[in-house]
Amino acid sequence: NAGVMQNPRHLVRRRGQEARLRCSPMKGHSHVYWYRQLPEEGLKFMVYLQKENIIDESGMPKERFSAEFPKEGPSILRIQQVVRGDSAAYFCASSPLLGTQYFGPGTRLLVL
Amino acid sequence: TQLLEQSPQFLSIQEGENLTVYCNSSSVFSSLQWYRQEPGEGPVLLVTVVTGGEVKKLKRLTFQFGDARKDSSLHITAAQPGDTGLYLCAGEGNKLVFGAGTILRVKS
Repeated sequence: NAGVMQNPRHLVRRRGQEARLRCSPMKGHSHVYWYRQLPEEGLKFMVYLQKENIIDESGMPKERFSAEFPKEGPSILRIQQVVRGDSAAYFCASSPLLGTQYFGPGTRLLVL
Repeated sequence: TQLLEQSPQFLSIQEGENLTVYCNSSSVFSSLQWYRQEPGEGPVLLVTVVTGGEVKKLKRLTFQFGDARKDSSLHITAAQPGDTGLYLCAGEGNKLVFGAGTILRVKS
């Protein structure tokens, strides 16, 4: 049973470009969570999604950030018009209903 | 807002020493989880504690959940270089809330 998969593992973007981060949950998991981590810090919750629904986006900036988890395919975290402050590691976790969250390896975004 | 404070932020010890990492909050959590994260990787779950006063052991690691379910500790006996990493506690309420982590470095 493959774990949570994220790609790309590393992403470099110039200011103003768009960043698309993908997350494939573990098989059988219908809940996806996105977190952001700055160097040597803990993870900050961004958004919680179920298939085709955003359940809680209280941790996600109101502008430039969006997330989706379509019926088919991976969950996508999209950052438009990236700025240097968006540079961080972005982690996805998945869980079954009311279950433990399992984390992917993360995508490290660097904005030049 | 639920907050978790971890201490110490950084710990550098010699192989064979014992250590304790603390995770404290003013909020009550339904459960608390401890993760270990290595550089370039995602957090890996070590343990979940649910009941106030609960103690769980995982080889040389002992986890304790406070009676009031507001705090927890992780004790490592006879630390080894392989224990090096970032240790994160996370409290579960409406969502998972993470502490800032403790960076542990065990020197051989």
